[in-house]
Amino acid sequence: QSVLTQPPSVSAAPGQTVTISCSGTSSNIGNHYVSWYQQLPGTAPKLLVYDNNSRPSSIPDRFSGSKSGTSATLGITGLQTGDEADYYCGTWDSSLSAVVFGGGTKLTVL
Amino acid sequence: QVTLRESGRALVKPTQTLTLTCTFSGFSLDTSGMCVSWIRQPPGKALEWLALIDWEDDKYYSTSLKTRLTISKDTSKNQVVLTMTKMDPVDTATYYCARTPNSGNSLDYWGQGTLVTVSS
Repeated sequence: QSVLTQPPSVSAAPGQTVTISCSGTSSNIGNHYVSWYQQLPGTAPKLLVYDNNSRPSSIPDRFSGSKSGTSATLGITGLQTGDEADYYCGTWDSSLSAVVFGGGTKLTVL
Repeated sequence: QVTLRESGRALVKPTQTLTLTCTFSGFSLDTSGMCVSWIRQPPGKALEWLALIDWEDDKYYSTSLKTRLTISKDTSKNQVVLTMTKMDPVDTATYYCARTPNSGNSLDYWGQGTLVTVSS
């Protein structure tokens, strides 16, 4: 059972917008920055968003992150078939003194 | 250019000890704020964080696995080593190492991963 809660799957059509939620507690999301990772099939995870809403320079602005209280959200606009992947949220948990991840969300672009 | 690469035995027997090495380049673990983590992913399952070591040699472990894990670093060789004792078939997974810069929460560079199978 993952410390952070994500929906198992989301889907949308090409060109549409999708959001993925990540729910936690005050010991993790509520008091620490959230990151998001994209894992394409058969590859290592890649950092998409860090510090709640910042993007590495190589990540297009179609990807965005936000945080409110003990929840975070990843948004993806202008969906492309190449966005089909598993997405994970992650942060630090000060009660566990550990990095924690969500269970992952599989995005299907119909 | 930051790179990380995992290495170690691909097949271990139950009850044996696994030793994995993360060899990295493009940064130093002597740099203030720098950390390296180990993460694993069983086939078809989610990411699971295992351990972290920082520039001051502080170490953090997964609560559920801490009795079996040891993380260490050799800054002269740019390596981080993870040992996991009492391997079991449920430990079959791809094992990744990844970097965290600036004492942050994000894992900004990842190795390609190494698949470890536990089987007799």
